[in-house]
Amino acid sequence: ELHLVESGGGLVQPGRSLRLSCAASGFIFDDYAMQWVRQAPGKGLEWVSGISWDSGSVGYADSVKGRFTISRDNAKNSLYLQMNSLRGEDTAFYYCAKANGAGSHVWDWGQGTLVTVSS
Amino acid sequence: EIVMTQSPATLSVSLGERATLSCRASESVSSHLAWYQQKPGQAPRLLIYGASTRATGIPARFSGGGSGTEFTLTISSLQSEDFAVYYCQQYNNWPSFGPGTKVHIK
Repeated sequence: ELHLVESGGGLVQPGRSLRLSCAASGFIFDDYAMQWVRQAPGKGLEWVSGISWDSGSVGYADSVKGRFTISRDNAKNSLYLQMNSLRGEDTAFYYCAKANGAGSHVWDWGQGTLVTVSS
Repeated sequence: EIVMTQSPATLSVSLGERATLSCRASESVSSHLAWYQQKPGQAPRLLIYGASTRATGIPARFSGGGSGTEFTLTISSLQSEDFAVYYCQQYNNWPSFGPGTKVHIK
């Protein structure tokens, strides 16, 4: 059975950094691109970033470009999102997602981890 | 950036009725369009990709259509478990989502 389990969320002050992790199991991790998608509480979905199976293709939403970095470790079946210079508008549930491509549709979603940026 | 819009914002439907949801792209996305369903407190679930291909395990009452800039999601006979928020997503460029349509019970 497929599992995508996010961790690393929490309360952080504006301007600080946070690193999210996603542990994947139940599928061949390095066969798939992966993405991060976020959702502010009570709001809609926003694509954040995507990475191809071999890390050769990476993309970011304009809202996070230059501040967030996506990466993966296929040996550890893990996906990461390094978030720097955090702002209040980054407050959201962050979903790890198994995707058809770095910038394609999502096949499967994790349950999300909440990041709250506040002083 | 491709901007996605959805209409209506909310849709009131009775059990067993047909529901048609619309999605529009600010420029052509060909058939690179997906639909997702999200229930309260849950992660989204893929329903349709490639504008009209149902994902694994999705009932046949869900169907998608359209290409270019105009798309529809049709639920032929609403069941109680279908009341949710539905999002469209283009992936012709880096992905972007529509604002969602909330389907609730009339």
